[in-house]
Order: sequence, then C-alpha cells, then structure tokens
Amino acid sequence: ETGVTQTPRHLVMGMTNKKSLKCEQHLGHNAMYWYKQSAKKPLELMFVYSLEERVENNSVPSRFSPECPNSSHLFLHLHTLQPEDSALYLCASSPATGESYNEQFFGPGTRLTVL
Amino acid sequence: AQSVTQLDSHVSVSEGTPVLLRCNYSSSYSPSLFWYVQHPNKGLQLLLKYTSAATLVKGINGFEAEFKKSETSFHLTKPSAHMSDAAEYFCVVYSSASKIIFGSGTRLSIRP
Repeated sequence: ETGVTQTPRHLVMGMTNKKSLKCEQHLGHNAMYWYKQSAKKPLELMFVYSLEERVENNSVPSRFSPECPNSSHLFLHLHTLQPEDSALYLCASSPATGESYNEQFFGPGTRLTVL
Repeated sequence: AQSVTQLDSHVSVSEGTPVLLRCNYSSSYSPSLFWYVQHPNKGLQLLLKYTSAATLVKGINGFEAEFKKSETSFHLTKPSAHMSDAAEYFCVVYSSASKIIFGSGTRLSIRP
C-alpha cells in the first residue's frame, strides 16, 4: 500500500471511552503531522513530529496524546473527549520539517464523532 | 504575524468557463504559499506551491496561481472548469513546521 493511510476511517465514541487513531506512511518521510478539521473552521495543526521527536504542540488539550514510535507510524490517543472534539482528523507526512517547506502528503482522515 | 484570507467561501461556475479562487496573505517576510484541494471524503492534495522562484506557478490539472507581492495575493485560476474540479480549495502560508496557516477554504461548484 502506498501513500498515507489512516485507520479507522470512522469512529464513534462516548465521552468516557479511550480510543486511538493510527496513521502510517509508506513514503520514507521523516516528519508527520496531526490536523483537526472542523466544519466551517480552518484546518488546525495539532502536533508535529520530526524523526520521532515532537517539535510542536499547538496548545492542544491533554485529552489528546500523540505517539510516534518510528518515522512511519503516528498515533493519536484519545480519552475523555468532549462533543466539540467531533471532527475529521487528518494525518500528513513530509520529507522533513526544515526551513524549505516540504510538500505534505495527507491521509484520507478519520471522521470522529463524540457522543 | 502571518495570516491567510480566502475571500470567497463558495464559488460556482459553469463547466468550460474560467475559475478564479482568491487568496490574500499577510506575512512579515517572504512566505511560501500553497494551494491544496480536498475532494469529498478524501485527504488534501497539493495543487501547486510558490517558494520565491517564478511568480507564476503552474500546478496539476491545469491550475495556476500568480504571486503578487504588491497586492499580497496568490489567486488560483484555471482557464476552463471541468466537473471533476468540484471540491474544497485551501490556500496555505508556511514559514516553518509550526507556522503553517490554512485558509478557511473555498468550495468550488461546477454547473453543467
């Protein structure tokens, strides 16, 4: 399989549940990203990992916990979410995060609904 | 501080007519600018990018954009719309890994 894949594609969870989103890239990239896409709002960058080290956390609530065990995999662990966290969560990867922007390749997203 | 404004939330054109999606940016230095497209239930795909080389940038699927520093604009155009162009389009300004700003998006509809 090529490109960036995300599982599951759809997830419904209650506010007390714990779940994880998975992202995998088959492009040999060194950087991975989590974005949140809510209706009628701009795409929000949540986390950036470069060579498995977190380089940015844009004031994301602690109920979202990222994990990057290697350069090909990225997880987003979810616990005690709120209904306003319902959104499309997009994963992306790029060759690097240096000064010269590197094109980001996006996965199809996980549609999350919090009841 | 950086910002990006997409001037139209929805644009509707007839098939075969030109497309213009407007984007204005604000940046304290020369930014890198991009246009992405998102088809329904799909991830974002890069259409084109400007990184301080030629001001007229050609992308995929016949799209192009012109960087105009004096107007702080980076509008996306296509001479002739196709039904398959119906999607959401995002203008993006970038200065570093943590400074990636997406516009609010423009939904493009194509009338037969």
